[in-house]
Amino acid sequence: QQPVQSPQAVILREGEDAVINCSSSKALYSVHWYRQKHGEAPIFLMILLKGGEQKGHDKISASFNEKKQQSSLYLTASQLSYSGTYFCGTVSGNTPLVFGKGTRLSVIA
Amino acid sequence: DSGVTQTPKHLITATGQRVTLRCSPRSGDLSVYWYQQSLDQGLQFLIQYYNGEERAKGNILERFSAQQFPDLHSELNLSSLELGDSALYFCASSAARRIDEQFFGPGTRLTVL
Repeated sequence: QQPVQSPQAVILREGEDAVINCSSSKALYSVHWYRQKHGEAPIFLMILLKGGEQKGHDKISASFNEKKQQSSLYLTASQLSYSGTYFCGTVSGNTPLVFGKGTRLSVIA
Repeated sequence: DSGVTQTPKHLITATGQRVTLRCSPRSGDLSVYWYQQSLDQGLQFLIQYYNGEERAKGNILERFSAQQFPDLHSELNLSSLELGDSALYFCASSAARRIDEQFFGPGTRLTVL
């Protein structure tokens, strides 16, 4: 079952913060975040495992609420390079990774 | 550069034809995944192979098939092509069977006319 991402699109000015949400109706084992720039391949950001801690690197971090089957990706003090489409992917039971439809983030100067 | 290679980069063909897309995973990676990405669509999982064996199947049409060879490279065969098959096809690889970072290749853009 495909996870649901929100918002579908967001426009930020440099330095602003953003939150992208990912939710599933299934009990999740892990949540994966990727970023894809236009015309390029998706790039891995992070994996959050059930029972694991909030993760992050630089100014991008994420949390995983197992009870609500939700994950949120936090982008703080956004930079132009953060622009792209962010995909969450979820794994539950024995299913392979299933990606959401993506959230298009545009950072403007 | 992710270390995953895909050929060809672009492919233009006609309806009804058959094409083969090729993927070489990163050195040491045993899992290969195939995804289809249509315009403004997310990444649709097609199929996964792990060390030569089919591991998981997604929304893969019966007209499509794949295999992973002993040297771990993989091929995706698309037959009886339709206009709706036009898309970007990505291959990804990972070291593990399921929960692991996936490294995506640059993709093959297929255009069916």
